[in-house]
Amino acid sequence: AQKITQTQPGMFVQEKEAVTLDCTYDTSDPSYGLFWYKQPSSGEMIFLIYQGSYDQQNATEGRYSLNFQKARKSANLVISASQLGDSAMYFCAMRRSGNTPLVFGKGTRLSVIA
Amino acid sequence: NAGVTQTPKFQVLKTGQSMTLQCAQDMNHNSMYWYRQDPGMGLRLIYYSASEGTTDKGEVPNGYNVSRLNKREFSLRLESAAPSQTSVYFCASKGGAGNQPQHFGDGTRLSIL
Repeated sequence: AQKITQTQPGMFVQEKEAVTLDCTYDTSDPSYGLFWYKQPSSGEMIFLIYQGSYDQQNATEGRYSLNFQKARKSANLVISASQLGDSAMYFCAMRRSGNTPLVFGKGTRLSVIA
Repeated sequence: NAGVTQTPKFQVLKTGQSMTLQCAQDMNHNSMYWYRQDPGMGLRLIYYSASEGTTDKGEVPNGYNVSRLNKREFSLRLESAAPSQTSVYFCASKGGAGNQPQHFGDGTRLSIL
């Protein structure tokens, strides 16, 4: 069975600083994908970044990067130059190969302080 | 650019009442999903439909039924609502290869009294 663990229920970061949100996963499948979503207080789920298990390089999307350590089964999200608008819940999720549904972690609430 | 549309956005029910949550996507996606979100629990899968004509149970299917009406629409039915089903319900869809993300609707906030 797949499992996603996010050990930080809440995090604080100063504006303009970088922050790392932790995510570890457990799967026996050799092929899988890891996703991060942002959920602001308005409630919608916003896709941020994707990492495939066979990708050689860490994924990056603007200020978001994914620190993928396959041997440790971790897929931490790094947000650089935090902004007040980054305050939100962040969810890590995993999918086995194909069209299987995403399995989500319990999330980390990030608060950016001015 | 509608994406995934859920109706209604809010609903209050009494215990024992029935209700159908509607979901439609206009992205020609094959796969559709229903999740519930409870505080501190993340999103948990209720049911999903990998393609038109198929449905499968997820992690928390008890008390729910689904219908994949056509490629666009995937509804979730509560036959006899219980207070434990008070939650925010999200519908999602996905198309293309395995590296494509799921696209979510804005959610339905459901309260069962």
